[in-house]
Amino acid sequence: GAGVSQSPRYKVAKRGQDVALRCDPISGHVSLFWYQQALGQGPEFLTYFQNEAQLDKSGLPSDRFFAERPEGSVSTLKIQRTQQEDSAVYLCASSYGEVSRGVQYFGAGTRLSVL
Amino acid sequence: AQSVAQPEDQVNVAEGNPLTVKCTYSVSGNPYLFWYVQYPNRGLQFLLKYITGDNLVKGSYGFEAEFNKSQTSFHLKKPSALVSDSALYFCAALQGGKLIFGQGTELSVKP
Repeated sequence: GAGVSQSPRYKVAKRGQDVALRCDPISGHVSLFWYQQALGQGPEFLTYFQNEAQLDKSGLPSDRFFAERPEGSVSTLKIQRTQQEDSAVYLCASSYGEVSRGVQYFGAGTRLSVL
Repeated sequence: AQSVAQPEDQVNVAEGNPLTVKCTYSVSGNPYLFWYVQYPNRGLQFLLKYITGDNLVKGSYGFEAEFNKSQTSFHLKKPSALVSDSALYFCAALQGGKLIFGQGTELSVKP
């Protein structure tokens, strides 16, 4: 597609439910990133992939958060047993080549509300 | 710790006047710096980047940014603001493949 696509755009979950957020990167982009943006804050890094390899997951806030990109294209961010503090916008980004200097292009995000 | 700061939560400018959105950084090594803009219910849109070379970087929609190593700053500028420039602006530094963002500056341009 023309840009990074994320689904769903909005997700409401009851506390304790599991959720899965999907990201379709720009076709041909090797690197894929997940960020979390709390209300009124800048995005914060969660994890990134180069092809199917998860090279850095240092930003994942707890072991309830899990990301995968099994075929090196679409990625899923899964949050188990959601808590209210997980409420945020989850942004996905992709870049063409190496992560060291490439521009990251962002999707519109998924707004997660945990009640 | 690596960080990016945007000292102003909000900047108000009259249409046609020049605008500046401030950014300072604290990162190790030679910084790769970026500006992104965020419109309501939309993702971050890339405006411009500094990797190396000329300290004045030109980007999309008439925006430019000036890299100042001695002041560790990367301020965003535009000579003549438009009402349509009203949005949330983020400065970011690239470190180890991950972007470190400032907290954002809300730009409001009034007619």
